[in-house]
Amino acid sequence: ELKVEQNPLFLSMQEGKNYTIYCNYSTTSDRLYWYRQDPGKSLESLFVLLSNGAVKQEGRLMASLDTKARLSTLHITAAVHDLSATYFCAVDMWDSGGGADGLTFGKGTHLIIQP
Amino acid sequence: GAGVSQSPSNKVTEKGKDVELRCDPISGHTALYWYRQSLGQGLEFLIYFQGNSAPDKSGLPSDRFSAERTGGSVSTLTIQRTQQEDSAVYLCASSSRGRATQYFGPGTRLTVL
Repeated sequence: ELKVEQNPLFLSMQEGKNYTIYCNYSTTSDRLYWYRQDPGKSLESLFVLLSNGAVKQEGRLMASLDTKARLSTLHITAAVHDLSATYFCAVDMWDSGGGADGLTFGKGTHLIIQP
Repeated sequence: GAGVSQSPSNKVTEKGKDVELRCDPISGHTALYWYRQSLGQGLEFLIYFQGNSAPDKSGLPSDRFSAERTGGSVSTLTIQRTQQEDSAVYLCASSSRGRATQYFGPGTRLTVL
């Protein structure tokens, strides 16, 4: 069974600080997604990482993928209040042999950025 | 263009009743997915369609759940004889093809009393 673990699950930080969210997964996969969810809203796609060593950046967010370590990171640089949300990583289930083309999500990291 | 739409946005029903949830994917997207989000279980994959067919239904929680997709577009998720544990937000997503980025709809919040 494919497992996806995120940590931390809850993070409170001050504006201007840097921090990293970690996502570990249990099976070989070369495809990992990061999503953002605001309270009461749906999921917004942030990044898709498609190969070992992939790095993508958008504004103050940067995501990377190490398929050998089965680890992805989401790094936040100089955090601002608007980045407060819950962040999910997800792995494509296809590679776990199930044949189902769905995503297995981590439990999410609830991020609060205080002024 | 228009994103994924779902209806209704909220549904309150009594235990034992049947409910139907609808999803309209992004136009031209061949792959469609259903997920469930609840406090206890997080985000769970339920089923996916490639075109009108669903190759794997093993993610559906019980035989009270069924889904269909017609014309390669709209999908309906049906829950029969609803139970309180079915209360959750049901999210639909679509992608241009299998294994591409999935775009999510706003969800249907189901409350079973």
